[in-house]
Amino acid sequence: DQQVKQNSPSLSVQEGRISILNCDYTNSMFDYFLWYKKYPAEGPTFLISISSIKDKNEDGRFTVFLNKSAKHLSLHIVPSQPGDSAVYFCAASARDYKLSFGAGTTVTVRA
Amino acid sequence: GAGVSQSPSNKVTEKGKDVELRCDPISGHTALYWYRQSLGQGLEFLIYFQGNSAPDKSGLPSDRFSAERTGGSVSTLTIQRTQQEDSAVYLCASSPKVGTGGGKLFFGSGTQLSVL
Repeated sequence: DQQVKQNSPSLSVQEGRISILNCDYTNSMFDYFLWYKKYPAEGPTFLISISSIKDKNEDGRFTVFLNKSAKHLSLHIVPSQPGDSAVYFCAASARDYKLSFGAGTTVTVRA
Repeated sequence: GAGVSQSPSNKVTEKGKDVELRCDPISGHTALYWYRQSLGQGLEFLIYFQGNSAPDKSGLPSDRFSAERTGGSVSTLTIQRTQQEDSAVYLCASSPKVGTGGGKLFFGSGTQLSVL
């Protein structure tokens, strides 16, 4: 049972434009959300997180938005750069140590 | 080493054989996790170790799968009598924090297991 869903398997964006990645979840007990980035042949690396007491968290070019009522979060990358081309995973947890991951979105930034 | 180390990076085996996957976490990290990613799927939780506590094995898909962590450091994931559906990337991660709110995990590069 997929509790975290990333419905867009891929996204192509032009360099300098905004990338918007979406993630939906079903478990209302989730209270901590993270985004991981993965390059080929490497493990995922932590990118940014947000707790359920906030609706926005910003770190440089990366901003995560959380809409608890809609059980939806999104990651905005502005401006997109070629080095941002990677697979992005959304993850969530419910006051414990088990992260539930989405299937990932492959982002391609075109020069 | 500086990061989580996994070996081998690739493993090809025949159906029915046993395999062992190794993980060397970041020094000082008390929590260790195993996940796997099958083609087109998200990361699936397998098992969690925290210090000397009993591991959470709730994600192991069958009794053919087992894992141990010796001395609170290196971990080995063993798959007995491998099946083709076991083919996946097996990822190990460690974390410095006792698990509250999920925390940030540091992943290794994974072992690509192919069962022929």
